[in-house]
Amino acid sequence: TAGITQAPTSQILAAGRSMTLRCTQDMRHNAMYWYRQDLGLGLRLIHYSNTAGTTGKGEVPDGYSVSRANTDDFPLTLASAVPSQTSVYFCASSVEASSTDTQYFGPGTRLTVL
Amino acid sequence: GQNIDQPTEMTATEGAIVQINCTYQTSGFNGLFWYQQHAGEAPTFLSYNVLDGLEEKGRFSSFLSRSKGYSYLLLKELQMKDSASYLCAVKDSNYQLIWGAGTKLIIKP
Repeated sequence: TAGITQAPTSQILAAGRSMTLRCTQDMRHNAMYWYRQDLGLGLRLIHYSNTAGTTGKGEVPDGYSVSRANTDDFPLTLASAVPSQTSVYFCASSVEASSTDTQYFGPGTRLTVL
Repeated sequence: GQNIDQPTEMTATEGAIVQINCTYQTSGFNGLFWYQQHAGEAPTFLSYNVLDGLEEKGRFSSFLSRSKGYSYLLLKELQMKDSASYLCAVKDSNYQLIWGAGTKLIIKP
């Protein structure tokens, strides 16, 4: 099974441009998450969705937007990229958002904003 | 504020045992997770603790003390492939994971 896929694998983006990072899961998980990972820092939650049709803000939501039109897809959009958004972005999913549910991660997208 | 602390880097010898500590201060507690992350790859789940005590899973064990806000991951019979970062994360009262910065484990032959 594919699990969680992300696209693109990596991208170099000019500051001010917009971009959508794609995330698709085939596990029929209800909850999905977007994290960024920066050197020396823990994973930080950007946005999450507990079920299709709902989204919520995480710790660092500014400059990012998400949508959850269906169970499988959870795209992350940068409307106007800035260099501080250079990071590795991971999408994750879990059956539910409850305490016992494990989050499973996609392979990540490495984004460089110049 | 919420905080997860773990050592930045540790070195151990192949075949030995290593213990990676994690202390936490979070708003609420709904379980503690350990993940393994090889360089350039995604984090993968290792263990979950919600009650005090030791959970053993093959060469890996994880311990939790909720009263002390403390956990450790114990890796036995270290192999070169265990060279990776180990991430500690706590689910807070909102069921969101709060992550430590990770401990980079270097295994020497």
